Amino acid sequence: TQLLEQSPQFLSIQEGENLTVYCNSSSVFSSLQWYRQEPGEGPVLLVTVVTGGEVKKLKRLTFQFGDARKDSSLHITAAQPGDTGLYLCAGERGSQGNLIFGKGTKLSVKP
Amino acid sequence: NAGVMQNPRHLVRRRGQEARLRCSPMKGHSHVYWYRQLPEEGLKFMVYLQKENIIDESGMPKERFSAEFPKEGPSILRIQQVVRGDSAAYFCASSPGLLAKNIQYFGAGTRLSVL
Repeated sequence: TQLLEQSPQFLSIQEGENLTVYCNSSSVFSSLQWYRQEPGEGPVLLVTVVTGGEVKKLKRLTFQFGDARKDSSLHITAAQPGDTGLYLCAGERGSQGNLIFGKGTKLSVKP
Repeated sequence: NAGVMQNPRHLVRRRGQEARLRCSPMKGHSHVYWYRQLPEEGLKFMVYLQKENIIDESGMPKERFSAEFPKEGPSILRIQQVVRGDSAAYFCASSPGLLAKNIQYFGAGTRLSVL
């Protein structure tokens, strides 16, 4: 059983389109992180959300943490080919920093 | 994440050999986490270490796997008598710890192939 479910698993869109990817769980997390991973590389931290209902913006990326701290979404406006990659969400339970990762959404943005 | 250094980037071993994976955390970070990523799977937590201490090894297989983070030098993940199922990408992450343990910066990983 996957504790963090990410959807969609794959997403292929044209440059300029908007998209939203989701990260859902039945468990509560003390914080949630979003990472982007490119082939052959390690995950790169994009954002951390901590407070239920929190919204953070990073240029064209908008991250939201659910009110109950069980889910999160990532919205990308006017996607660009450089946004292509595997987007991973990771939740922290407890205080030791052990992150639980979803399987990711593989995004492809075509020019 | 360029600050976390892992080596080697690629490692090929035959069944039964030992694999040693090294991780140097970012400067100033004393907390190290190891994760394993199997093909088509998410990253799975293995072990959390601070200098000279294993804090949480709940994700480590009970046999053949061990980890250390000595006072001097890099953290080492050691896999003895490797089997084909150990083939995976192994990632190390470091954190400044204290109130920011969830802020983890990852290395580029070591890709282990067992023949």
